[in-house]
Amino acid sequence: QKEVEQDPGPLSVPEGAIVSLNCTYSNSAFQYFMWYRQYSRKGPELLMYTYSSGNKEDGRFTAQVDKSSKYISLFIRDSQPSDSATYLCAMSDYTGGFKTIFGAGTRLFVKA
Amino acid sequence: DVKVTQSSRYLVKRTGEKVFLECVQDMDHENMFWYRQDPGLGLRLIYFSYDVKMKEKGDIPEGYSVSREKKERFSLILESASTNQTSMYLCASSYTVPLLEQYFGPGTRLTVT
Repeated sequence: QKEVEQDPGPLSVPEGAIVSLNCTYSNSAFQYFMWYRQYSRKGPELLMYTYSSGNKEDGRFTAQVDKSSKYISLFIRDSQPSDSATYLCAMSDYTGGFKTIFGAGTRLFVKA
Repeated sequence: DVKVTQSSRYLVKRTGEKVFLECVQDMDHENMFWYRQDPGLGLRLIYFSYDVKMKEKGDIPEGYSVSREKKERFSLILESASTNQTSMYLCASSYTVPLLEQYFGPGTRLTVT
């Protein structure tokens, strides 16, 4: 079983839709949860991160962590064609180690 | 803006060749990483370095080695390239505190024939 599971998609939505992207994980030691966005032919870039459980909002993006269910989500409101990218969840236990575990990524297409 | 650059965007090599992938960062980051990215498998850590001349194995170090002679430069070496090393290779760097955000280069698409 992989430490982090993420549906690869692709997920295709019309412009303006609310998008929900999700990951599940198995390691209860994870404390930091991140979402990276990767455009085609580019490296990933950090979109948001949260510590432990709860929600965090940044503009049209909301990250949610449910540690009891080992489940994290990224919501995109009013999705735009420019949001079309691959979204990778990532997590770390940050116990002095340097390893971040990445999900496989979900490919999102937002149609105009 | 942090910049992480990789020496090549696309590379084609033959089986058995020694391959060098170079990565340079301009933000004085302590940590540097090499990942490979394959469909359905996500990013897998090959090696990382937390200081000059220091290196640690990641999850899939077999067939690879690294070199960090200067703080800004981290090289990945494929000692004898094989077809199963055909992949996208991504370099990243980060500060130690906070150890959260990794800054990625654009990647090198390596094909081994």
